[in-house]
Amino acid sequence: DTGVSQDPRHKITKRGQNVTFRCDPISEHNRLYWYRQTLGQGPEFLTYFQNEAQLEKSRLLSDRFSAERPKGSFSTLEIQRTEQGDSAMYLCASSPPSGENTEAFFGQGTRLTVV
Amino acid sequence: AQSVAQPEDQVNVAEGNPLTVKCTYSVSGNPYLFWYVQYPNRGLQFLLKYITGDNLVKGSYGFEAEFNKSQTSFHLKKPSALVSDSALYFCAVRDGEGANNLFFGTGTRLTVIP
Repeated sequence: DTGVSQDPRHKITKRGQNVTFRCDPISEHNRLYWYRQTLGQGPEFLTYFQNEAQLEKSRLLSDRFSAERPKGSFSTLEIQRTEQGDSAMYLCASSPPSGENTEAFFGQGTRLTVV
Repeated sequence: AQSVAQPEDQVNVAEGNPLTVKCTYSVSGNPYLFWYVQYPNRGLQFLLKYITGDNLVKGSYGFEAEFNKSQTSFHLKKPSALVSDSALYFCAVRDGEGANNLFFGTGTRLTVIP
């Protein structure tokens, strides 16, 4: 399967712990996005990378959140000192270089539960 | 500021009947409009998009959508619904050239009744 891959699919953690998620985009896609989806809501934009550069961050991305894409390929999203409000589905998406008028391809997401 | 409204949380339709899932949007620039579908425990799957050109766009699985600039709408349609179309549908907008992120509606759950 050459789609967007996310790992892990599910993560249960205790409040206050740190978690890290990984996203492997489609290989020729240089644009990578992170979104968060809570129950009953549509996905909300968190951050955007073009190659290794993080070009845009949402106000939703608090100081406890950090995302990296060190070599312009896979990306990681880390949440420090998790809170119950962080429980959500974290979605990664990628798109090719002409990404403005092309669709984004989404992974299956990582479901985080903070207990 | 950009926004997307999906006024119906739930749409029920009988199998074989036409279906419509409504979407209206608000952007400051030219809208780039998308429909995605989400099945249980699956990621979002792209259905169709409007960037420019013909107002009626055709997409995957027999779906189509009509861009109406005056009504700022982009309703999703299908002439004959299948039970397998039952899923959660999201409308999304990108606020024109230069915008990087998609802004999603809250979703409409479509149930096709056999």
